[in-house]
Amino acid sequence: AQSVTQLDSHVSVSEGTPVLLRCNYSSSYSPSLFWYVQHPNKGLQLLLKYTSAATLVKGINGFEAEFKKSETSFHLTKPSAHMSDAAEYFCVVSDPRAGSYQLTFGKGTKLSVIP
Amino acid sequence: EAGVTQFPSHSVIEKGQTVTLRCDPISGHDNLYWYRRVMGKEIKFLLHFVKESKQDESGMPNNRFLAERTGGTYSTLKVQPAELEDSGVYFCASSLAGPGKDGYTFGSGTRLTVV
Repeated sequence: AQSVTQLDSHVSVSEGTPVLLRCNYSSSYSPSLFWYVQHPNKGLQLLLKYTSAATLVKGINGFEAEFKKSETSFHLTKPSAHMSDAAEYFCVVSDPRAGSYQLTFGKGTKLSVIP
Repeated sequence: EAGVTQFPSHSVIEKGQTVTLRCDPISGHDNLYWYRRVMGKEIKFLLHFVKESKQDESGMPNNRFLAERTGGTYSTLKVQPAELEDSGVYFCASSLAGPGKDGYTFGSGTRLTVV
C-alpha cells in the first residue's frame, strides 16, 4: 500500500524568503510523485512530477522538489516566496505497477505568505 | 485546449434529496476519475473510468453513489439519497495515459453541502 505524510499542516513565510514544504511517502514499488497546488476557489494544478528520471525536478513558478529514496522524501522548495504562492499544496503518490491508477494524497499544507 | 469542466460549482441540498454532479473531461482523454475531499480530510479516490467502463470503483463509499459515463465522454456522479456526511468537494480529473506520464488534469470541483 502507498501513503503520503505531509509533515506540516500550515507553513507561514515572509515574502522573499525561502519556502520548504515537507513530504514523506511510503510505497511498495518505485512510485511516481507529484505536487499539486490549489488556490482559493480554483482546481488542483500540477506543479511538478517525479517519474524515475532526474531526482531534482523543476516545476512551474520557480518550485522544485528533490526525490530522496534513502529518506523516502519529496520536499517542495522555492528560493523566494511571492504573495501569489499563498495556497494549499498537496503531495501525491502513485504507482500504476501496483495495479491501480489511484492517486494517494497527503492531507495538504496551507502556505501563508506575509508581506 | 479546454480543461476539465465540472458543474455545478456549488450545490446545497437537503438530507434525503438527490444530487447529480457532472464532469466533462478533456476531449480525447479515455481515463476519467472522481475524487472527493470531505471536511478536514484528505482528498480520496472514488473511481476510475476507462472510456465507458468502470476500471476501479474501490473508493466508492456505499451504494448511494452511482457513477456513469455513457458513451465514454462526460460522466455523472449521482448521490441518492444524500446524507450529511456526503458534504465536501468532489473533484473530477482526466488523463490520456496513467499518472506516471503526465499526472492528471483536475477540474475546479463541485462543493456539495448537505443540510
